[in-house]
Amino acid sequence: QVQLQESGPGLVKPSETLSLTCTVSGGSIGSHYWSWIRQPPGKELEWVGYVFYTGNTNYNPSLKSRVSISVDTPKNQFSLNLNSVTAADTAIYYCARGLGDRTTPFDHWGQGTLVTVSS
Amino acid sequence: DIVMTQSPDSLAVSLGERATINCKSSQSVLYSSNNMNYLAWYQQKPRQPPKLLIFWASTRESGVPDRFSGSGSGTDFTLTISSLQAEDVAVYYCQQYYSVPFNFGPGTKVEI
Repeated sequence: QVQLQESGPGLVKPSETLSLTCTVSGGSIGSHYWSWIRQPPGKELEWVGYVFYTGNTNYNPSLKSRVSISVDTPKNQFSLNLNSVTAADTAIYYCARGLGDRTTPFDHWGQGTLVTVSS
Repeated sequence: DIVMTQSPDSLAVSLGERATINCKSSQSVLYSSNNMNYLAWYQQKPRQPPKLLIFWASTRESGVPDRFSGSGSGTDFTLTISSLQAEDVAVYYCQQYYSVPFNFGPGTKVEI
């Protein structure tokens, strides 16, 4: 059974870079699309972007100037970098897998990690 | 961007009764070349990640009870829980995957 686990700092200062890693276990990162999705506390879900195991990416236009997603296939990991963060970036960040060979919908999710942007 | 809306914001249903949640997209998510609706439904319980219930608007994910069903086409979709169980208390989200960004609806909270 595929499992995803997010890791990274829970507190980031304003204007700095938020960096998270998702480790995939129980399956290969190859042949799938991998996404980051975030959810501000008590609010709705927002798709951030995806990466394919080849390194191909696509991002939410609302975040495109600040976001970067990369993949490390030997480590079975993919990562999110979001720069110039503000309080509006405070959210639970989930990593997720695309169903089959599709970018979405998302059939496997990590438990999520809360990232707070505050000085 | 395709904007997703849901109604109602919340609903209370008695155990064993039917729950109906509506989702509307600002433009059609029906892809004419394959006649598929690029619409999914998720269930999110407190302090848990979302769980995929339905994709292609009406296909149940493996392991999802058959009391959950999806219908609709184009811009108007419905998630129906035919006989509400206590474990179905959750927030339900629709999501379009027709085009980037893959937007979610605002959610509908289902309570007993």
